Amino acid sequence: AQTVTQSQPEMSVQEAETVTLSCTYDTSENNYYLFWYKQPPSRQMILVIRQEAYKQQNATENRFSVNFQKAAKSFSLKISDSQLGDTAMYFCAFYMGRRALTFGSGTRLQVQP
Amino acid sequence: DSGVTQTPKHLITATGQRVTLRCSPRSGDLSVYWYQQSLDQGLQFLIQYYNGEERAKGNILERFSAQQFPDLHSELNLSSLELGDSALYFCASSPRGDPGHTEAFFGQGTRLTVV
Repeated sequence: AQTVTQSQPEMSVQEAETVTLSCTYDTSENNYYLFWYKQPPSRQMILVIRQEAYKQQNATENRFSVNFQKAAKSFSLKISDSQLGDTAMYFCAFYMGRRALTFGSGTRLQVQP
Repeated sequence: DSGVTQTPKHLITATGQRVTLRCSPRSGDLSVYWYQQSLDQGLQFLIQYYNGEERAKGNILERFSAQQFPDLHSELNLSSLELGDSALYFCASSPRGDPGHTEAFFGQGTRLTVV
């Protein structure tokens, strides 16, 4: 079974600075997808970024980028120029065909003014 | 707005009771997923329906059941409720069943409180 581990329960960053959230996963499969979801206080689950395992290039969405290390089974999220609106829980998730998403336990990010 | 609508947003009920949570997927999406999120934890997959048929099952209790109707909306039925069933229940939808979750969008969730 796939597992997703987020080892940082809480993190804090100053506004405008950069922060990196860690995620590791365990799978014996070769083709899969990885995601970062944001859950603000409103509780809405918002897709931040997605990475296909077969793509070597790291995904980027504006201020959000990932460092995908397939051999190390690592998938970290970098948030540049942090904004107060980035304050949220961040969940790493794994998906392989014909299964459902497997989520990590989350990292609570607080952006300080 | 993800386009996925869940009702009700909040629900308070007593132990032993039965409730129904409703999900309307995005227009055109055939697949619906149900997840449970207990306090400050990650989401746990319950069940998936694709075009009216059950596609995958996760850690769903026997007291829970779901269905997807011809108009593609879905309902999650929770019965003989216990205090531990208090959680946020999410519905997600995607156009396809596999690999549906590469394109899935979540609703705002239904917060269930069992007292």
